[in-house]
Amino acid sequence: DTAVSQTPKYLVTQMGNDKSIKCEQNLGHDTMYWYKQDSKKFLKIMFSYNNKELIINETVPNRFSPKSPDKAHLNLHINSLELGDSAVYFCASGPTRANEQFFGPGTRLTVL
Amino acid sequence: GEDVEQSLFLSVREGDSSVINCTYTDSSSTYLYWYKQEPGAGLQLLTYIFSNMDMKQDQRLTVLLNKKDKHLSLRIADTQTGDSAIYFCAESGGYQKVTFGTGTKLQVIP
Repeated sequence: DTAVSQTPKYLVTQMGNDKSIKCEQNLGHDTMYWYKQDSKKFLKIMFSYNNKELIINETVPNRFSPKSPDKAHLNLHINSLELGDSAVYFCASGPTRANEQFFGPGTRLTVL
Repeated sequence: GEDVEQSLFLSVREGDSSVINCTYTDSSSTYLYWYKQEPGAGLQLLTYIFSNMDMKQDQRLTVLLNKKDKHLSLRIADTQTGDSAIYFCAESGGYQKVTFGTGTKLQVIP
């Protein structure tokens, strides 16, 4: 009965590889988000989707491509991984009319 | 752009009150939030306040908002060891975009 789930929880990979992180929410929310949290715990929004449409796209390299196959899923694909991509990536979801967000447990990405 | 600042660290003794402060720059903020992040976990919403309110109380938590000074604080009464975590202030003034502060690590000493 997990509300917002992410897979995998840990991801260790080599520079230059392509990887994906999956996110699913069973809360019936219209909006989903991806955040990046760096080693200093600073949290920055990357993308937001509302009903499968991209509504927020912060200054993120185009190596990062979100994909929303349906309202309950928002996946993050990263091409040509770099050392600086190492971080914890959080998925979140929320209802359209309110700004409360429910966070997933995070995916710790380590690029070697 | 929006900017939300917090002090990085706070240490208190168990049973004392904790006060975590936050300042923000966006004068059009509509909602202001406090989130809690425990080690190895995602953020969890603790409470939020509308910008037209000065104070909100929820059990051990009291939120104070000074809109003129763009200052938000979270007071935790009778702080417990289980309150040890990182606390994030956040604001939202636009369509679903929430800007998070830098986070304050609260350490509770038994």
